[in-house]
Amino acid sequence: DTGVSQDPRHKITKRGQNVTFRCDPISEHNRLYWYRQTLGQGPEFLTYFQNEAQLEKSRLLSDRFSAERPKGSFSTLEIQRTEQGDSAMYLCASSFSTYEQYFGPGTRLTVT
Amino acid sequence: GQQLNQSPQSMFIQEGEDVSMNCTSSSIFNTWLWYKQDPGEGPVLLIALYKAGELTSNGRLTAQFGITRKDSFLNISASIPSDVGIYFCAGSISNFGNEKLTFGTGTRLTIIP
Repeated sequence: DTGVSQDPRHKITKRGQNVTFRCDPISEHNRLYWYRQTLGQGPEFLTYFQNEAQLEKSRLLSDRFSAERPKGSFSTLEIQRTEQGDSAMYLCASSFSTYEQYFGPGTRLTVT
Repeated sequence: GQQLNQSPQSMFIQEGEDVSMNCTSSSIFNTWLWYKQDPGEGPVLLIALYKAGELTSNGRLTAQFGITRKDSFLNISASIPSDVGIYFCAGSISNFGNEKLTFGTGTRLTIIP
């Protein structure tokens, strides 16, 4: 399978715990994006990278959220001190320069 | 954050019927994309539009980029059971769709037996 992959697919955590999600983009894609989707809504942009550079992070929801793409390949999204309002689907997408974004299957986070 | 307005919110149709849905924005976009999402999965890209007035087809799907660049339309002809799902429009200020996407609120398509 050469699509975008995300791990884990599901995560249940207790409030106050830290969680980290991983995204592996399509291999030749240099841009990587993170979105969040709550129930009944469309995905909402969080941040994106071109290679290892984070080009926009203003939409990260608070300072509890951080993302990295250290070698310009896979990326991680970390949420510290999770809150119940963080429960959502976290989606990763990738693109190659001037082409459209392709999404992974998402990580469903449930904070109890 | 901003979400685009999609209409209708939901549709209940019989197999074989044609479907039309639209998406409107208060802002101009340079690229419009249409995605389909199944429960528990990520959105799957259906069609990308790059130029105002452009009409593009992908099998039974046809999408149009509105002249004002503030709207887009998606038509599905002769619907089949696998068309069931949620359809999202998304706009990008990039000419290529590789900048952050602003998504619509979704149109849920259900096929009545």
